[in-house]
Amino acid sequence: DTGVSQDPRHKITKRGQNVTFRCDPISEHNRLYWYRQTLGQGPEFLTYFQNEAQLEKSRLLSDRFSAERPKGSFSTLEIQRTEQGDSAMYLCASSLGRARVDEKLFFGSGTQLSVL
Amino acid sequence: AQTVTQSQPEMSVQEAETVTLSCTYDTSESDYYLFWYKQPPSRQMILVIRQEAYKQQNATENRFSVNFQKAAKSFSLKISDSQLGDAAMYFCALDVSGGGADGLTFGKGTHLIIQP
Repeated sequence: DTGVSQDPRHKITKRGQNVTFRCDPISEHNRLYWYRQTLGQGPEFLTYFQNEAQLEKSRLLSDRFSAERPKGSFSTLEIQRTEQGDSAMYLCASSLGRARVDEKLFFGSGTQLSVL
Repeated sequence: AQTVTQSQPEMSVQEAETVTLSCTYDTSESDYYLFWYKQPPSRQMILVIRQEAYKQQNATENRFSVNFQKAAKSFSLKISDSQLGDAAMYFCALDVSGGGADGLTFGKGTHLIIQP
């Protein structure tokens, strides 16, 4: 068990550029989540996958955001035409996704995005 | 909609002393889970303790315990024998959907400082 890994750890981009983040969940974890955390706030739910199916998207996820999880393994989160308001830390988490009583989320260390 | 409120932006405690972090929440659901997560400077969210709403017994994990008051919708975290490694942001979180739709709802966090 190597934990949830995210890449890159930091990303600086200019407004209007596209960026893509990657998350590798713990192997055999069926569920994968994306959260966004801004300074001084707790994480906010963006979306989640059960295997390769994207089952829920928050209203925070505008049309400029897209997430994929091909083959139910790693996931990517892409932001098109970035805006300064997109500056935040993007957290990925995974869980077994089986019995609810055992449901626990394991988080990665996040990707810190700065839009200039 | 669910809400989680942490009214203490910052708490300070002497090493080896006991500290209690407060959390209140609001939900119309009767079946839910509550969590405390720790976020050290490394940014990775680490699960500290978990409480099922249907259980009356308060959860404990070594030096960490909770005081769960369902009627009052209160969920405080007690840390006994505080250690320097406990210094971090602590987030209270609520899960009403088994980690699915809406994911976890987090509070804004409490910054815990451990005085040596």
